[in-house]
Amino acid sequence: GAVVSQHPSWVICKSGTSVKIECRSLDFQATTMFWYRQFPKQSLMLMATSNEGSKATYEQGVEKDKFLINHASLTLSTLTVTSAHPEDSSFYICSAIESTSYNEQFFGPGTRLTVL
Amino acid sequence: TQLLEQSPQFLSIQEGENLTVYCNSSSVFSSLQWYRQEPGEGPVLLVTVVTGGEVKKLKRLTFQFGDARKDSSLHITAAQPGDTGLYLCAGSHYGGATNKLIFGTGTLLAVQP
Repeated sequence: GAVVSQHPSWVICKSGTSVKIECRSLDFQATTMFWYRQFPKQSLMLMATSNEGSKATYEQGVEKDKFLINHASLTLSTLTVTSAHPEDSSFYICSAIESTSYNEQFFGPGTRLTVL
Repeated sequence: TQLLEQSPQFLSIQEGENLTVYCNSSSVFSSLQWYRQEPGEGPVLLVTVVTGGEVKKLKRLTFQFGDARKDSSLHITAAQPGDTGLYLCAGSHYGGATNKLIFGTGTLLAVQP
């Protein structure tokens, strides 16, 4: 089956620093990847849609300058949380669509970010 | 803005009991998916329903898509502790530019042994 990985699985950083999270499709090419944010015991909230070779499309209310997304290849998308603050602490999950599997998203295992 | 409301929000039951989780929307979806998520992990797809009125069974889990494709239900028979987790429905619209999923509000299920 299609596998999506995320790195790191967890990260703790100081307030004001930037953190990069990687999302990789391991055995398929993903023209589209999605980034979600999830608070404890809550649902997933879509942050942005990442398309290979083009600018990401952000959902309403998501600061594009704070959450930088780069989809440089068909197997890698990165999310950089710039100047992180404690309120950015959350579980970040990515997903990827396999080009041959219409509309099915394969989810990564998530990255737990804690900002001190 | 959440377009898919799930009920109940929380559910704690004893092993062997039956339960139903509902997913309701005012919008019509081309397809609807159900996921189960365990703490610290990504959601895992359980089923996709695409036809109004469709019923799919996965062992002790029965999924139904409403006739109008606005709602869905998940019924679990004889729940087991291994069924514990966060259940999420998610709707999508075919033909959209981005194939986005709209996630429901979630149902947290705890099955006590």
